[in-house]
Amino acid sequence: KAGVTQTPRYLIKTRGQQVTLSCSPISGHRSVSWYQQTPGQGLQFLFEYFSETQRNKGNFPGRFSGRQFSNSRSEMNVSTLELGDSALYLCASSPGQKNSPLHFGNGTRLTVT
Amino acid sequence: KNEVEQSPQNLTAQEGEFITINCSYSVGISALHWLQQHPGGGIVSLFMLSSGKKKHGRLIATINIQEKHSSLHITASHPRDSAVYICAVPYSGGGADGLTFGKGTHLIIQP
Repeated sequence: KAGVTQTPRYLIKTRGQQVTLSCSPISGHRSVSWYQQTPGQGLQFLFEYFSETQRNKGNFPGRFSGRQFSNSRSEMNVSTLELGDSALYLCASSPGQKNSPLHFGNGTRLTVT
Repeated sequence: KNEVEQSPQNLTAQEGEFITINCSYSVGISALHWLQQHPGGGIVSLFMLSSGKKKHGRLIATINIQEKHSSLHITASHPRDSAVYICAVPYSGGGADGLTFGKGTHLIIQP
């Protein structure tokens, strides 16, 4: 079974631009959650989708948004990029039931210059 | 939102030593996750537990729901165990909608 796939692996953008990151979950998994990891703040929850619906959202500004498609693939978008958005962005998939184990992708490393 | 405290933040030990990493959280949960992250970023789920104790090879995880505390133990540690170990709990406590994390324990095992 293929694992969680995130694309692209690396991305360099300029302040003010927008970016879209993609996450393909394990086949059959209906939940995708997104996380930001920085040296200062560690891992922080962005949002979680299940069957195309956002079930929960972390404490991030509205510039961070996401969506999930009918095949469970998910995208996250960051608009008007700031230097502080430079981070490793990780997604994880699970079947979506309570207490399901998570499977993480290898992440997208975003650098904003 | 659940708050997660992990200790120690950094730990250097000699090969063969018994390692303990601690995690405490503020709000009752349905399950707790222990994760491992190697340089380069990939995260692997080691354990998910809601009560008692689980063991995989040289790794043991325990949880005390009443005290809101969990520990991860590594027996006969080896240099390949060097990694960041992260404790995580459900963001909303319920268990199905994302995680909130401790700051991680950076473990180095010296030969």
